[in-house]
Amino acid sequence: TAGITQAPTSQILAAGRSMTLRCTQDMRHNAMYWYRQDLGLGLRLIHYSNTAGTTGKGEVPDGYSVSRANTDDFPLTLASAVPSQTSVYFCASSDKDGYNEQFFGPGTRLTVL
Amino acid sequence: GQNIDQPTEMTATEGAIVQINCTYQTSGFNGLFWYQQHAGEAPTFLSYNVLDGLEEKGRFSSFLSRSKGYSYLLLKELQMKDSASYLCASMDSNYQLIWGAGTKLIIKP
Repeated sequence: TAGITQAPTSQILAAGRSMTLRCTQDMRHNAMYWYRQDLGLGLRLIHYSNTAGTTGKGEVPDGYSVSRANTDDFPLTLASAVPSQTSVYFCASSDKDGYNEQFFGPGTRLTVL
Repeated sequence: GQNIDQPTEMTATEGAIVQINCTYQTSGFNGLFWYQQHAGEAPTFLSYNVLDGLEEKGRFSSFLSRSKGYSYLLLKELQMKDSASYLCASMDSNYQLIWGAGTKLIIKP
C-alpha cells in the first residue's frame, strides 16, 4: 500500500509562475489536508477537505487554491507564486473529519525565486 | 488566540529518559496529538490523549492535564534513532490541528 504520494519531490519555480502540487491517497480516507512547514514555525494548515466535493480554508489560504473532485486526489495550486511561498508542503489524510490520526505524504520542497 | 508552546531543543543521553513538555491554548479542545518527525521526512503519529492521565505505548508515554492545558511526551531507554523533532498538536473545536513548532531532540552516546 502506497499510502499518500506527493509530486513533485522538489521544485524551483520563478516568481509569477503557476504550479500544481499533486497529492494522492489510496486509503479511502474522507478528510485531506494541505500544510506548509517553515523553519521555526509549526505546521500551518492551508486548505482542507472533509469529503469529496467540499473544501475549506485553513489558517493561511491566501495565494492557494484546492479542489477535491474525488476521494483520492487533492491538488494544491499556486496561481502566481511569490518568494514567501518557499516552503515544504505536506499533504495529509485522515479517516474521518480529522478526529483520527493524520497520515502524511513525503512532502514537496518548493523554492520560489 | 490559539497557541502551542514547546521547547525548541533538548539534549539527552542514549539509554536515559527525557520528558518533552507542551502547553496549549486553543479554541475548544478535542484531544492532544504527538508526532515524530525525522529530518527531511514526514511527521508520523505517536500518540493521542483526550482524557486526563497517562497513556503508555512501549518506550513512549504521553500525559494530559486538560485543566492545566498541559501535556508531556516521555521517552524511555533512549536510542540514537530517537533523534528527531517531536511535534505537539492540539485539536480545536473545528477538529483542526493547531501545531507547535516542534522540539528537536538530540541524543548523545
